[in-house]
Amino acid sequence: AAGVIQSPRHLIKEKRETATLKCYPIPRHDTVYWYQQGPGQDPQFLISFYEKMQSDKGSIPDRFSAQQFSDYHSELNMSSLELGDSALYFCASSLAGIVYEQYFGPGTRLTVT
Amino acid sequence: AQTVTQSQPEMSVQEAETVTLSCTYDTSESDYYLFWYKQPPSRQMILVIRQEAYKQQNATENRFSVNFQKAAKSFSLKISDSQLGDAAMYFCAYRSPVGTSGTYKYIFGTGTRLKVLA
Repeated sequence: AAGVIQSPRHLIKEKRETATLKCYPIPRHDTVYWYQQGPGQDPQFLISFYEKMQSDKGSIPDRFSAQQFSDYHSELNMSSLELGDSALYFCASSLAGIVYEQYFGPGTRLTVT
Repeated sequence: AQTVTQSQPEMSVQEAETVTLSCTYDTSESDYYLFWYKQPPSRQMILVIRQEAYKQQNATENRFSVNFQKAAKSFSLKISDSQLGDAAMYFCAYRSPVGTSGTYKYIFGTGTRLKVLA
């Protein structure tokens, strides 16, 4: 069965650079969630989208932005990267109305040097 | 399909007392993970405790312990010596094994709001 696809799987950037993470949800899923998990920390909810509109917002820094496109894939844009942004970024998808059933992708490991 | 059920929308406990939050789940998998997450008003999801299905021993983290009954598909959370800071929404969650596509599924219960009375 198709799963959530995240690209790239690994990304190395320098401080003050910009990074873009992509998430392709499971086919027919219309809701996407982004999470950030720092080393030794719990996953932090960043933001979610339903039908291309932002549906919920968590602890997403102002330097980050995200959007969902017409094909339901989502991109997380991160600017002015800081060392503390180094983390594993997970994307999850679900069908609208079933927010408690989320399918997680393998994650993108971002390292900021 | 897997399901997670938290039948207690709200619970109250007196400070320093013990409270148990219930969670039942359904799955046909034999290898999975169960979690209890705490979500304070800040919306941050804080992992409280984790249980691997293959482990018979109940997980314990300081004042938090679980009663994992695999055959009954029950996973309750016991909070001992409740503190005011324990007040939050508590979510029970099931995580499936990783599939061939690298994807795994998380299913959350609807949550139990815990109030701690001084």
